Amino acid sequence: QSALTQPPSASGSPGQSVTISCTGTSTDVGGHNSVSWYQQHPGQAPKLMIYEVSKRPSGVPDRFSASKSGNTASLTVSGLQAEDEADYYCSSYAGSNNYVFGTGTKVTVL
Amino acid sequence: EVQLVESGGALVQPGGSLRLSCAASGFTFSRYWMSWVGQIPGKGLVWISQTNPDGTAPGYADSVKGRFTISRDNTKNTLYLQMTSLRAEDTAIYYCARGGLLYSNDFWGQGTLVTVSS
Repeated sequence: QSALTQPPSASGSPGQSVTISCTGTSTDVGGHNSVSWYQQHPGQAPKLMIYEVSKRPSGVPDRFSASKSGNTASLTVSGLQAEDEADYYCSSYAGSNNYVFGTGTKVTVL
Repeated sequence: EVQLVESGGALVQPGGSLRLSCAASGFTFSRYWMSWVGQIPGKGLVWISQTNPDGTAPGYADSVKGRFTISRDNTKNTLYLQMTSLRAEDTAIYYCARGGLLYSNDFWGQGTLVTVSS
């Protein structure tokens, strides 16, 4: 149950795009279409932003998009806004009733 | 409105026990998978445990297997995490989360802090 690998940080100016990767293995990311992405602001609970690799829950802006290729999933935030500055975590089902989160990425809006 | 309210976090000595609770409201609790997720303050999220709607198929992270037990009372709309043989490395904020579509967690509580220290 090793954590999925994310870059520690990513940044962009307002209006620009930032992409975060999430690398796992064929047991987790590569083996299931169950990648989710969460946003967490300081002192707050995580919020679901993406489920089932690329689907957005109601209320999540379409500036947030995601995809998967092989063992790596990606989250893209387009048209960066100040309120997008937060920590982002991916997660995946890992089989046998196990789940795993990513190491987390701090997104900074310059 | 979906609400999840955790309680039971405390300062406990190594080797001690604690039971966390998560009171759910605003949805039909008995129809949903539920999870516990931990977070060391300032660090990343760690999946701890989950259970299916009737509580018959719990799952645990290797780090807590044999020490923690997840359970639920669907008549009280409450999720529990019984923690035993606690270690310093179990110190974390523990979040309760509702299972959403395809293994996601679509609603989260605000968390309860467990500190294991002598």
